[in-house]
Amino acid sequence: GENVEQHPSTLSVQEGDSAVIKCTYSDSASNYFPWYKQELGKGSQLIIDIRSNVGEKKDQRIAVTLNKTAKHFSLHITETQPEDSAVYFCAAGGTSYGKLTFGQGTILTVHP
Amino acid sequence: NAGVTQTPKFQVLKTGQSMTLQCAQDMNHEYMSWYRQDPGMGLRLIHYSVGAGITDQGEVPNGYNVSRSTTEDFPLRLLSAAPSQTSVYFCASSYAPGLAERGTGELFFGEGSRLTVL
Repeated sequence: GENVEQHPSTLSVQEGDSAVIKCTYSDSASNYFPWYKQELGKGSQLIIDIRSNVGEKKDQRIAVTLNKTAKHFSLHITETQPEDSAVYFCAAGGTSYGKLTFGQGTILTVHP
Repeated sequence: NAGVTQTPKFQVLKTGQSMTLQCAQDMNHEYMSWYRQDPGMGLRLIHYSVGAGITDQGEVPNGYNVSRSTTEDFPLRLLSAAPSQTSVYFCASSYAPGLAERGTGELFFGEGSRLTVL
């Protein structure tokens, strides 16, 4: 089955800096790569996703890049703000209806 | 819209006790799933359902049962609780997750149920 590795496990940045979280996956057939944000005491919410037919996608301060050859994808957050502090999960799927494999999560802390 | 509703939010059990975590969604999603979240291990899929009457196992199904009698509800049953089942449980629903050809694939999560087994 699919295996997703996520790094780093914790990330601390100053407000205004950029943050980068990286994930690798094992199944070359995976074609859907979402990122979820989990705020304290809440369920996770989709913030951005990318499909295997594109290499990069942006949404305001958030971007995701995908390298299918190397089987890794990354989340980039620019101009970080304290409200960006949360746990971020990457995931991979699309090979089997109903199955999405998540990474271990990254605790991002943005200091004012 | 209520979205995905989980109950209870907190529960303490003794080893060997049974209980059911409830999950309901009002978005007419055909897909529903249960995940457990443990420190350093991310979200791991327990069971999922692609429609009423259809369920399948995820990554960590042992010790859990599910059923899907209606589109709206997807309860998770622990038949004989063990300390290893201490975790935070999340229910999630979607039109079609992880399948590029159908819908957006976005999962909608409940707020979680924190279970402690003593």
